[in-house]
Amino acid sequence: SQQGEEDPQALSIQEGENATMNCSYKTSINNLQWYRQNSGRGLVHLILIRSNEREKHSGRLRVTLDTSKKSSSLLITASRAADTASYFCARFTGGGNKLTFGTGTQLKVEL
Amino acid sequence: GAVVSQHPSWVICKSGTSVKIECRSLDFQATTMFWYRQFPKQSLMLMATSNEGSKATYEQGVEKDKFLINHASLTLSTLTVTSAHPEDSSFYICSARVPGQRNTEAFFGQGTRLTVV
Repeated sequence: SQQGEEDPQALSIQEGENATMNCSYKTSINNLQWYRQNSGRGLVHLILIRSNEREKHSGRLRVTLDTSKKSSSLLITASRAADTASYFCARFTGGGNKLTFGTGTQLKVEL
Repeated sequence: GAVVSQHPSWVICKSGTSVKIECRSLDFQATTMFWYRQFPKQSLMLMATSNEGSKATYEQGVEKDKFLINHASLTLSTLTVTSAHPEDSSFYICSARVPGQRNTEAFFGQGTRLTVV
């Protein structure tokens, strides 16, 4: 399977804490993307990091990429209850046409 | 960003009937759209790639006669679940990317919750 692995599968934290999610993949990439999915909804693109980048920021999000280890991490700082969602890493396969998703991390931020 | 609209949001149908799900790109033309299936608390699994004006490309293990895909225009792709059975109950999501931009972000519909009773 080309599906990436994410850990943890589930994460429960208190509001204000930081949340870190990790993603590992097996094949070479041009870029790696992170998406968020609220329960029962579609996916929203959060951030894209290119293979020649090591770190990228967007608001409270920080993504790192280590191509030598074929892994990426998503850090959400100062989490809020509204951050409760599933988070997926994704990368292109099939010659850059198909987007393949990792197994996902279910984040719950409690008040 | 670009907008992809999916309809209906949810549908309940009887076993043996067929259900059609629509996916529209509202502010761009999508020559290619993607259909995913997602079971509860699991990831998205790509079912097929919908190509405007030609046959869809199905992933291994996906029955093309069961999941009919039509992409008759540059803004509309449809997925028809034929002779639905309870095991077809799932969350179906479509996505598209802006043409000419490979390796970039994808835009997703809101998803359709299908329940077959």
